Amino acid sequence: GENVEQHPSTLSVQEGDSAVIKCTYSDSASNYFPWYKQELGKRPQLIIDIRSNVGEKKDQRIAVTLNKTAKHFSLHITETQPEDSAVYFCAARVTGGGNKLTFGTGTQLKVEL
Amino acid sequence: DVKVTQSSRYLVKRTGEKVFLECVQDMDHENMFWYRQDPGLGLRLIYFSYDVKMKEKGDIPEGYSVSREKKERFSLILESASTNQTSMYLCASSSGGYNSPLHFGNGTRLTVT
Repeated sequence: GENVEQHPSTLSVQEGDSAVIKCTYSDSASNYFPWYKQELGKRPQLIIDIRSNVGEKKDQRIAVTLNKTAKHFSLHITETQPEDSAVYFCAARVTGGGNKLTFGTGTQLKVEL
Repeated sequence: DVKVTQSSRYLVKRTGEKVFLECVQDMDHENMFWYRQDPGLGLRLIYFSYDVKMKEKGDIPEGYSVSREKKERFSLILESASTNQTSMYLCASSSGGYNSPLHFGNGTRLTVT
């Protein structure tokens, strides 16, 4: 089955700096890569996603890039703010695998004042 | 807005008990999922269902079963609870559309003593 690795497990940045979280996947048939944000005590929520026919997608301060050849994708957050502090999960979905998502192990992002 | 409701926020059970975790969604979604969340391990898929009375094993189905008698309700069953099943359990649903996002419930924190 699909395997998704995520790094780093923890990330601390100063407010206003950029943060980058990286994920790799194993199954070349994966075609959909969402990112979820989970604030403390709350449910995971989708923040951005990318499909395999696109190399980059941006939504205000967040962007995701995808390198299909290398089988890795990354989340970029610019101008970080304290409210960006949360756990971020990457995920991958295999073509033909229905809507089943395989998640990475998560990154605890802390934005310090 | 999609609402996924898990019946209990916190649950404490004894080893060997049969445990039922209930999940209800109000958006007529075809797909429903049970994930388990543990620190450092991310979100791991236990079981999922594409339709009423249909179920498929995820990555860690051992010790669990599920039931989907109605489209809006998906139950996770621990036949004989063990201490290693102490965890946060998250239910999620999605529509049948291509690459539709997962909508999560608030989770049930289960402690088995």
